[in-house]
Amino acid sequence: DGGITQSPKYLFRKEGQNVTLSCEQNLNHDAMYWYRQDPGQGLRLIYYSQIVNDFQKGDIAEGYSVSREKKESFPLTVTSAQKNPTAFYLCASSIAGGQTYGYTFGSGTRLTVV
Amino acid sequence: AQSVSQHNHHVILSEAASLELGCNYSYGGTVNLFWYVQYPGQHLQLLLKYFSGDPLVKGIKGFEAEFIKSKFSFNLRKPSVQWSDTAEYFCAVIGGANNLFFGTGTRLTVIP
Repeated sequence: DGGITQSPKYLFRKEGQNVTLSCEQNLNHDAMYWYRQDPGQGLRLIYYSQIVNDFQKGDIAEGYSVSREKKESFPLTVTSAQKNPTAFYLCASSIAGGQTYGYTFGSGTRLTVV
Repeated sequence: AQSVSQHNHHVILSEAASLELGCNYSYGGTVNLFWYVQYPGQHLQLLLKYFSGDPLVKGIKGFEAEFIKSKFSFNLRKPSVQWSDTAEYFCAVIGGANNLFFGTGTRLTVIP
C-alpha cells in the first residue's frame, strides 16, 4: 500500500542532543513537508521541499534542519538549538503544489526531551 | 500573509445534534480550502476540499462545507453527529505560497 512512514513513533532525547526523525513516502510525490503540532496551536510548518535537493524554511524553521537527497525521503533533524522541542511532528507529502489534492500525512512522531 | 481562524476550541454535543464548525481565512487571492480530521490516536485524514465550482462541497462521513467568498469563510457542517465523530478538526488553506496553512483546530466531543 502507498503511504508515508514516520519513525520512530515515540522518541526521547536528552537536552543538548540532536535527533533525526525519519519520513519516507512511496507515493511518488514530488513535495514533502514537516509540521509541528502543539496543543491549541494547530499545525505549524517547519520546512518543505518541492523537489529533490531543494528545500525552503517554513514559519518555525529555527533549530531544525532537513535534507532531500532522495525523492522518497525527507528527514528532519531537531538540533540542540531548538528551545522547546517537545512536540508531535507530522510529515506530509503531495503532488507538485498540492493545491488540488491536498496532502497525505504520516502517523507522526512524538518527541519528548528529558 | 495567509492565516486561518477557527473560532471554537472545544465543542461538546450530544449524539444526533447538528454541528457547525467555523473557519475564516485571510487571503485576497484564489484559495483552495480543506478540512482535515484527526481521530484519537490516528493520523490526519482529508474530510473534504474546495478548489472551484459549487461552493457547497460534500465530504466523507456525511460532512459538508460551504465556501462563502464574501465572508472568507468555509464552515464545516453535519446534520446529525455520532459518537464516532469525536475528533479534532482542522481547517486549512492553500493560497499563493502553495503551502498548507492550518487553523488551530477544534476539538469535538460527542456524548452518547
